[in-house]
Amino acid sequence: EDQVTQSPEALRLQEGESSSLNCSYTVSGLRGLFWYRQDPGKGPEFLFTLYSAGEEKEKERLKATLTKKESFLHITAPKPEDSATYLCAATGTASKLTFGTGTRLQVTL
Amino acid sequence: KAGVTQTPRYLIKTRGQQVTLSCSPISGHRSVSWYQQTPGQGLQFLFEYFSETQRNKGNFPGRFSGRQFSNSRSEMNVSTLELGDSALYLCASSPNGEKLFFGSGTQLSVL
Repeated sequence: EDQVTQSPEALRLQEGESSSLNCSYTVSGLRGLFWYRQDPGKGPEFLFTLYSAGEEKEKERLKATLTKKESFLHITAPKPEDSATYLCAATGTASKLTFGTGTRLQVTL
Repeated sequence: KAGVTQTPRYLIKTRGQQVTLSCSPISGHRSVSWYQQTPGQGLQFLFEYFSETQRNKGNFPGRFSGRQFSNSRSEMNVSTLELGDSALYLCASSPNGEKLFFGSGTQLSVL
C-alpha cells in the first residue's frame, strides 16, 4: 500500500528563518509527487508537481526537490503570509493520490 | 474562470440520517475526485469519476457513494450517518486526473 509521511507535524519559524519540510514516500511506480498549501477553512491549493529524482521547482520563496525516497520543500526567508499547512501527495501505478497528514507552518514576526 | 464550487458549506445531521453533497467542477474538467479530511487521518481518497464513470475507489464502506452527471457535476451521498463521518469533505476537479483543483469543502457534523 502506498504511504506518504510528512515531518515535522508542526514548525514555528521567525520571519526570515529558512527551513525545510520533509516528505517520505513509499509508492509503487511513482508517477508524480505533489505539494499543496492549505489555509484554514479552505481547500488545498496546488504548488508543485515533481516527476523524477533530481527534479527541482521554485516559486517565490519555495523550492521543492525530489529524491528516490523523499521530497523536500525548502522555505527561504519566510514571511508571516507563508503560514499554512503544507501537504505532500504522491501517485503511482495504482493511480490513487495518497496524501500525507501535513506540516503546520507558523511564521512569526 | 470560476473555481470548484461545493454546496452546502456547512451541514449538521444526526446519526442514521443520510446526506448528499454537491460539487461543480471547473469548466472543461472531466475528472472529479472526493476526499474526506479529518484532523487525525488527513485527506483520505473516497472516489474519482471521469466522464460519468467511477474510475477509482478508496477504502470506504458502501455507505459512501457518488455519481457524476453529463455536465461533469458530481454528488456524493453518505447513508446511515455515523458520528465518525464528521469531517470536511473536499471535492477536486482536474483536467488530467493528476493536478487537482480543490473546492473549499463541506463541513459535515454528525450529532
